[in-house]
Formats: sequence, C-alpha cells, structure tokens
Amino acid sequence: AQTVTQSQPEMSVQEAETVTLSCTYDTSESDYYLFWYKQPPSRQMILVIRQEAYKQQNATENRFSVNFQKAAKSFSLKISDSQLGDAAMYFCAYRSAKYQFYFGTGTSLTVIP
Amino acid sequence: DAGVIQSPRHEVTEMGQEVTLRCKPISGHNSLFWYRQTMMRGLELLIYFNNNVPIDDSGMPEDRFSAKMPNASFSTLKIQPSEPRDSAVYFCASSGGRASQPQHFGDGTRLSIL
Repeated sequence: AQTVTQSQPEMSVQEAETVTLSCTYDTSESDYYLFWYKQPPSRQMILVIRQEAYKQQNATENRFSVNFQKAAKSFSLKISDSQLGDAAMYFCAYRSAKYQFYFGTGTSLTVIP
Repeated sequence: DAGVIQSPRHEVTEMGQEVTLRCKPISGHNSLFWYRQTMMRGLELLIYFNNNVPIDDSGMPEDRFSAKMPNASFSTLKIQPSEPRDSAVYFCASSGGRASQPQHFGDGTRLSIL
C-alpha cells in the first residue's frame, strides 16, 4: 500500500521568510498525483497546490511552489514571503490512478511576527 | 458553486445514542470520502464510495459505524451506539472522476460524545 510520510511534526518561520515542508511517499505506481492541503484553525481543508507525476516541471501557485523529485519520491512544499495567514497544519496527499487518496500526518506551521 | 455541505456542524450527544452525519457532495463528483480526524490518530479514511458504491470500507472502526450513499447527492455516516472514543471531527470530501482531480472537503462535523 502507498504511504505518505511527513517527518516534521512542527515547523516555524519568521514572517516574510521562506520555509520548506518535506513529504516523501512510497509507491510502485508510475501514474499518480500529489497535493498539498492547508488546514487553518478554522479546520477547513484547503487545497494549496497539486502536481502530476508525469510532469517534470514543478508546480507553482503564487508564493507556494513544490520541489518534486520523482526518483527520490519526494514532494516538498516551499512557502515564500511567509505571512501570518500561512499558519496552519499542512498535509501532503497522494492520489493513485485508482482514485484512492493517502494523507500524511501533517506538519504544523507557526509564523512568527 | 456550492462546495461539499456537511450537517450538523456540531453534535453533542450522550453515550449510547445514535448519531447520523450527513453529506452532500459537489454536483457532478462521483467519488465521496468520509474521514475522521483526532489529535491522537490524525486524519483517517473511514470509507470511500465511487459512483455510490462502497469501494473501500477497511477504515471503518467497527460494526457500530455504517455509511450509505443512496444516490449521487447524499451520503450518511451513522454511529450506533455511540461511545466517548468516537469524539472527533468527521469530514466528508468529494472529487471528480479523473485521478488528477483533488478532493474538496466539507467544513466537518465536530462530534462530542459525553
């Protein structure tokens, strides 16, 4: 079965600085999709960014970008110019071509003013 | 467009009572997922449906939990009888038919069993 590992339970970053959250996954599939979700204290689960495994180009959404290393099965999230509103729990997720989703255990990000 | 709608938003009930959580997925989505989130165990997949058919219910904790999807626009998660350890936030999520499509989550139901 696929597994998703987030090895950093907690991270902190100074406002306006850059932080990288790590995620690794284990799979034998070649076709899959990766996502980062944000869960602020309001508990909503918000999609931040997605990456298709067949694309070599790293996805970018404004201040959020990923570093996708397919061979290493690594999918890290970089947040640039961190803002107070970025404080949240971040979940990495894997979706197989068979539609099943797998989530990591999350990284709690604190933004220090 | 309306997102995934869950009800109730909060539920407080006594141990032994039946609890029913409801979910309306996004129109046109054919996959629906129920999750449970706790501090101790994180986000756990309970069950997921594809085209109204349960595909994987291996995450359902025990026979006290049951889920149904009678049609494409409605699903329920039922706990009977409820126990204090069932206290958690329960999320419903839906997604479209292509694997590239992400899950869209409802706002969750915070369930407290006294």
